[in-house]
Amino acid sequence: DAGITQSPRHKVTETGTPVTLRCHQTENHRYMYWYRQDPGHGLRLIHYSYGVKDTDKGEVSDGYSVSRSKTEDFLLTLESATSSQTSVYFCAISERDRPSYEQYFGPGTRLTVT
Amino acid sequence: ELKVEQNPLFLSMQEGKNYTIYCNYSTTSDRLYWYRQDPGKSLESLFVLLSNGAVKQEGRLMASLDTKARLSTLHITAAVHDLSATYFCAVFTSGTYKYIFGTGTRLKVLA
Repeated sequence: DAGITQSPRHKVTETGTPVTLRCHQTENHRYMYWYRQDPGHGLRLIHYSYGVKDTDKGEVSDGYSVSRSKTEDFLLTLESATSSQTSVYFCAISERDRPSYEQYFGPGTRLTVT
Repeated sequence: ELKVEQNPLFLSMQEGKNYTIYCNYSTTSDRLYWYRQDPGKSLESLFVLLSNGAVKQEGRLMASLDTKARLSTLHITAAVHDLSATYFCAVFTSGTYKYIFGTGTRLKVLA
């Protein structure tokens, strides 16, 4: 299994509070992704990173920010959590030195905003 | 905008039967992925399809890719209960480094 961890694994927070989720990898992969998973929507891309300090938006980036100060860590921040951000969040990594460009997923973080 | 559509969204089938899940996508791509997800778990990679006509098989599952039709299929042969899960296809967009996922097919195999 690819070395990807996410923390916390579960979190309950109140509306309006800031929340930061962490993705940590030990594979030295260049590309990292944050997705959210909701019933009926599959996985939707929030933000992704193509290198240290290089990030870009996905399809559902409103209300989220990210940072990547070193290769192994990719942080997702909800500046002011809302109930619509209750979801399961997955981090993924990939690398371009292999033709498959295969993604590997972390275990997920279940976030509940009350 | 690239869209990925899976059908059916839900599939209930008897053990021993065959069925196919379809994944259509709206623009050119030469990399397509199939994943399995069990309830409460993460996504597990099943197949990576890299070229037109690619076919891969693992146990009772076989995936194929037709890039001209922008279609991939996941065929289930003689289904067993252990195959019950949600299956996702995803397409890689080379210009943007993004992966676009289908909404998933929830498969339930009845004994």
